[in-house]
Amino acid sequence: AQSVTQLGSHVSVSEGALVLLRCNYSSSVPPYLFWYVQYPNQGLQLLLKYTSAATLVKGINGFEAEFKKSETSFHLTKPSAHMSDAAEYFCAVRGSRQLTFGSGTQLTVLP
Amino acid sequence: SQTIHQWPATLVQPVGSPLSLECTVEGTSNPNLYWYRQAAGRGLQLLFYSVGIGQISSEVPQNLSASRPQDRQFILSSKKLLLSDSGFYLCAWSVQGRTPGTIYFGEGSWLTVV
Repeated sequence: AQSVTQLGSHVSVSEGALVLLRCNYSSSVPPYLFWYVQYPNQGLQLLLKYTSAATLVKGINGFEAEFKKSETSFHLTKPSAHMSDAAEYFCAVRGSRQLTFGSGTQLTVLP
Repeated sequence: SQTIHQWPATLVQPVGSPLSLECTVEGTSNPNLYWYRQAAGRGLQLLFYSVGIGQISSEVPQNLSASRPQDRQFILSSKKLLLSDSGFYLCAWSVQGRTPGTIYFGEGSWLTVV
């Protein structure tokens, strides 16, 4: 069975600071990993995905994530936080039928 | 391009009343379709999965049912709502047969059962 764990249900950063959202996965097969963002009262928007082509994946809105097999991690980063980045972020692993999501990390950006 | 529409956006229903949430996908054919639920303070849970018309898989036992009367239409229903059915419901789709199939989500429907 595949699963993901997101460390930290709430993360606060100052505007302009580095954003780091942590995700660790568990999978018996090479995983396909995704990050989604959810703004208040909206659906989920795909940020980026890892499909084994490259370990460093660039997504929308300046976000990127690095797949590290040795650490079973797929952390999401952004060099400089913007107020508009405040949202909930979900890491997910793709199984044969569905996505299995982490519990989410609420990102707050402080002025 | 493909788009997914889901309605109604918000719904307040009394306990024991029926439910119908509808979802349609445009710009693709024979998609995989999904219903997820996001309850307050909890993650996303897959409720139903469909690979074709009339083909529905239920992932968890519950008070809800799903139907796919047309290729790009997916309906979530209940005959009698429970308080515990409150939550944010998300319809989603992916291209069938593609690995990995990225799953794309609709805007969601807020259901409050009172």
